[in-house]
Amino acid sequence: EDQVTQSPEALRLQEGESSSLNCSYTVSGLRGLFWYRQDPGKGPEFLFTLYSAGEEKEKERLKATLTKKESFLHITAPKPEDSATYLCAVLSLGGATNKLIFGTGTLLAVQP
Amino acid sequence: DVKVTQSSRYLVKRTGEKVFLECVQDMDHENMFWYRQDPGLGLRLIYFSYDVKMKEKGDIPEGYSVSREKKERFSLILESASTNQTSMYLCASSFSSGVQETQYFGPGTRLLVL
Repeated sequence: EDQVTQSPEALRLQEGESSSLNCSYTVSGLRGLFWYRQDPGKGPEFLFTLYSAGEEKEKERLKATLTKKESFLHITAPKPEDSATYLCAVLSLGGATNKLIFGTGTLLAVQP
Repeated sequence: DVKVTQSSRYLVKRTGEKVFLECVQDMDHENMFWYRQDPGLGLRLIYFSYDVKMKEKGDIPEGYSVSREKKERFSLILESASTNQTSMYLCASSFSSGVQETQYFGPGTRLLVL
């Protein structure tokens, strides 16, 4: 069964303290891995799509990387405005067309 | 920019009422989706549609139906609302294939059923 697991469930950082969020996945074949940011009471906001192992993408203080079993979202020198829930999702080759499988997210709090 | 809009941000309904949630996208996407999001359970797919008048059940379709009469609009219907349908409802849309399969989400509708 296709599955996505995110860790940690929650993470508290001091402003400027870099860290990484993990998304491990078990799928029959990966069509794509997606990272989203979600603020309280709002819909997920798209950040990155990764398609193959070794791929990396960057946006401001965020960098996403992908291996054959997991993805990392690296946050460099975070600021309080980076506080949010970060969601990971995968599209599986063996799954229904366009059906995303989501992890339960990592709640990030960055304190000034 | 991709824009997905939902008809209401907050809704309060009574048990047994028929509830309509509407979603509109302006990017000419073929696919549209309805999810619900609950604490500890993450996002769960209710229904999706890959073309006008076409629909497919997701993981939790019971108690819901959908309608897609126009490409840009996808409606979620709660035939007889129940308290266990209190949740955050999220609509999303995407292209069908290739590098543009990314799903874009609307702002969400928080539904409370009393």
